[in-house]
Formats: sequence, structure tokens, C-alpha cells
Amino acid sequence: GQQVMQIPQYQHVQEGEDFTTYCNSSTTLSNIQWYKQRPGGHPVFLIQLVKSGEVKKQKRLTFQFGEAKKNSSLHITATQTTDVGTYFCAVPEYNQGGKLIFGQGTELSVKP
Amino acid sequence: GAVVSQHPSWVICKSGTSVKIECRSLDFQATTMFWYRQFPKQSLMLMATSNEGSKATYEQGVEKDKFLINHASLTLSTLTVTSAHPEDSSFYICSASGGPAVRGYFGPGTRLTVT
Repeated sequence: GQQVMQIPQYQHVQEGEDFTTYCNSSTTLSNIQWYKQRPGGHPVFLIQLVKSGEVKKQKRLTFQFGEAKKNSSLHITATQTTDVGTYFCAVPEYNQGGKLIFGQGTELSVKP
Repeated sequence: GAVVSQHPSWVICKSGTSVKIECRSLDFQATTMFWYRQFPKQSLMLMATSNEGSKATYEQGVEKDKFLINHASLTLSTLTVTSAHPEDSSFYICSASGGPAVRGYFGPGTRLTVT
């Protein structure tokens, strides 16, 4: 079945530093989604990338989808304590509409 | 739009008892609902896929007789954990597809603790 590798597993940064998490797949993806889960909370949808080479921004968050549609990244500029949480990428299982396979997640902690 | 609710949000039960978790799509018809399980510090793992009016499809390693799924209507799916044991303690999250965007919509999750 579909698999996606996400790194790093943990990232500890000083407030104001940047943060990036990466997801890689061995197969071409139709799309990739990103979620944020706060401690004790549930995953919250951030964005979906569909097009090859797509770059989308949400304030300090920049999402990229690779040209080959096999990798993606989420970059946060100048982290804040409110960015704390675990960030997951998720990809659809091939031909299983709506069924998502989640990456391992990257837990971000921000030291004020 | 596209709100998914889950009930209860948390539940504590004794070992050997059964617990039912409801997942509802409040403002759209969910043709398919997905049930995920998340252990502490781990990712979400898909347990099963349920389609309205048909039997659920379970992922490898998930016991269908232990985790009973019913998708009786286009807005409601239930997951029953039968004869729960402490190792079933986890965060159970549903996702419903069929909303305005081509993606799943997640419920807020149910935290199950089995004592």
C-alpha cells in the first residue's frame, strides 16, 4: 500500500527560528494534505496541494509540492509558541478515494 | 460547512465492557467514513472504511469482530469497541468524505480509557 515518510520526528526550536518538515513518497501522488494537531487535540486540516511544483502560503507557513509530486515540505518562518504541535502530511491511498495514509508526524516544540 | 461531530469526546470504561462511539456529518451527506486510531506520540492509523449500507472494510491487523462498525445512514457511522481491554485505550478519530471539498473532514476525536 501507499507509504509516506516524514522527517524529522521531533524539532525543538527557539522562538523566532524557522522550522521545516518534509514528506517523501516513492510513488507519484495525486495530492498531499497537511494537518496540525495541537497537544491533546485532533488533527486540523491546513492545506491540500495538487499541482506539480505548487507553492502555497498561509501567513508564516509555506507549503511546497515537488515537481515530481513525490515530496512536499512545510516551512514555518519565525516560529511562535502558538506553532507548537505535531504536523502531519497525509496522502490518499491509490484509488481509494478519501482514504488517507498519514506520515509519522513532526512534533514541534518552541522555546520562548 | 462540512462539520463532523463525535460522541462522546471522552469515555472511561471497565475492562470487558463495550463502548460505542458515534460519528456524525452535520451538514453534508457522508458517502464514506473512515475510522482512525492514534496512540500517544504516534501517527493516525486507519482502522477501517465504512460505506453507507454496506459492510466495513478493515485494514490488515484490525479485528473486525472486536471493532464493529455500522454506517446506517449517510450522516452517521458508529464504532463499537467490544470487550474492551486496557490496550484498546486510544484516541479514536473519524473522518467523513462527501463534503464540499474533495478531502476528508475529521471529527474532534474520542479519547477512550479502559481501566
